[in-house]
Amino acid sequence: GAVVSQHPSWVICKSGTSVKIECRSLDFQATTMFWYRQFPKQSLMLMATSNEGSKATYEQGVEKDKFLINHASLTLSTLTVTSAHPEDSSFYICSARVAGYEQYFGPGTRLTVT
Amino acid sequence: AQSVSQHNHHVILSEAASLELGCNYSYGGTVNLFWYVQYPGQHLQLLLKYFSGDPLVKGIKGFEAEFIKSKFSFNLRKPSVQWSDTAEYFCAADGSSNTGKLIFGQGTTLQVKP
Repeated sequence: GAVVSQHPSWVICKSGTSVKIECRSLDFQATTMFWYRQFPKQSLMLMATSNEGSKATYEQGVEKDKFLINHASLTLSTLTVTSAHPEDSSFYICSARVAGYEQYFGPGTRLTVT
Repeated sequence: AQSVSQHNHHVILSEAASLELGCNYSYGGTVNLFWYVQYPGQHLQLLLKYFSGDPLVKGIKGFEAEFIKSKFSFNLRKPSVQWSDTAEYFCAADGSSNTGKLIFGQGTTLQVKP
């Protein structure tokens, strides 16, 4: 099956700094990538939808200036958490798909803000 | 508001026992339904999906689910679980336009005792 990777898998940063998370579709070109957030023992919450070459669309309640999403190519999307705070600590998961087809998930990135 | 709910948060079964995990959805209009599994330390994988047609859907690894429109339900079943089925199970829904914007249930942790 299709493979989606994320880098890094785990990152620790200090409060006030920014962190970039990469999401890559390794063996297919994704027209759309999604970013989810998962709190411990809880479900995945969709944060934003990213289409190559266009601005991301954010779900209600998600601060677009805090969570910057760039979808530079059909195989790469990045999520930058700007001025991170401890409450941003979470598990961030991306997924990618070709329009109308199955969505493939990455392994996730655990962000810890100290 | 659109939502997906899973009744069982933590299920413990012995090997060979039968499994049924509940999922109910609240959605305006036609809905596409999914069950995903997340094995420990791994990414989300699609178990099965329902878009239309036969309401009894068969997926991978012996899992099946039944879409009951009148009950707004999409319960996951397996006649005989194995220790390797120990994982987190998520029910998810998407609108008929198949945008890929999934709404997830809270997840059910299944623990199978050998």
